[in-house]
Amino acid sequence: GNSVTQMEGPVTLSEEAFLTINCTYTATGYPSLFWYVQYPGEGLQLLLKATKADDKGSNKGFEATYRKETTSFHLEKGSVQVSDSAVYFCALLFPNGNQFYFGTGTSLTVIP
Amino acid sequence: SQTIHQWPATLVQPVGSPLSLECTVEGTSNPNLYWYRQAAGRGLQLLFYSVGIGQISSEVPQNLSASRPQDRQFILSSKKLLLSDSGFYLCAWKQNYEQYFGPGTRLTVT
Repeated sequence: GNSVTQMEGPVTLSEEAFLTINCTYTATGYPSLFWYVQYPGEGLQLLLKATKADDKGSNKGFEATYRKETTSFHLEKGSVQVSDSAVYFCALLFPNGNQFYFGTGTSLTVIP
Repeated sequence: SQTIHQWPATLVQPVGSPLSLECTVEGTSNPNLYWYRQAAGRGLQLLFYSVGIGQISSEVPQNLSASRPQDRQFILSSKKLLLSDSGFYLCAWKQNYEQYFGPGTRLTVT
């Protein structure tokens, strides 16, 4: 079946450190891939997306590249800030599909 | 622009009491609508989704139900709450292969 697997957290980093949150997926076909961010007490916000192989999504200094050969969509940021502390969710959606498949989320805490 | 509203923002209910959470979307028509639950420290669990008025797909059998009486209104209900129903309930809508979430309702069942 279709599924998304994220690296387990929590992740704690110092400010200005490099961030990688791994995400791999299992799917038949060619889904679109997403990263969502959830700040404490809030709903999820779309952070970035990629709709086909080798596409790179980027937003607010975060990047992720759709790697079909490794079925991965790892989230990266070169220099994290305290304000990046949140839970990050990887997700996939098939074209013309109705259901999003979410990973379990990875909690990130950035300390000054 | 499109916005999504959920209310109430927080709710404390005793076990066995009924529940009604409401979600409305503005600025779009005929959206796909979703209810998710997020237990403390856990990921998202899809509860229901709807592709149109009166059309509800249930993903998880439990004591919750959903209804879509109007195009942009999605309601989550229960006749008798359980302790395990506590969590953060998120409504979302989908359009153009993207999903947008409401601010959520924090439900505590005591």
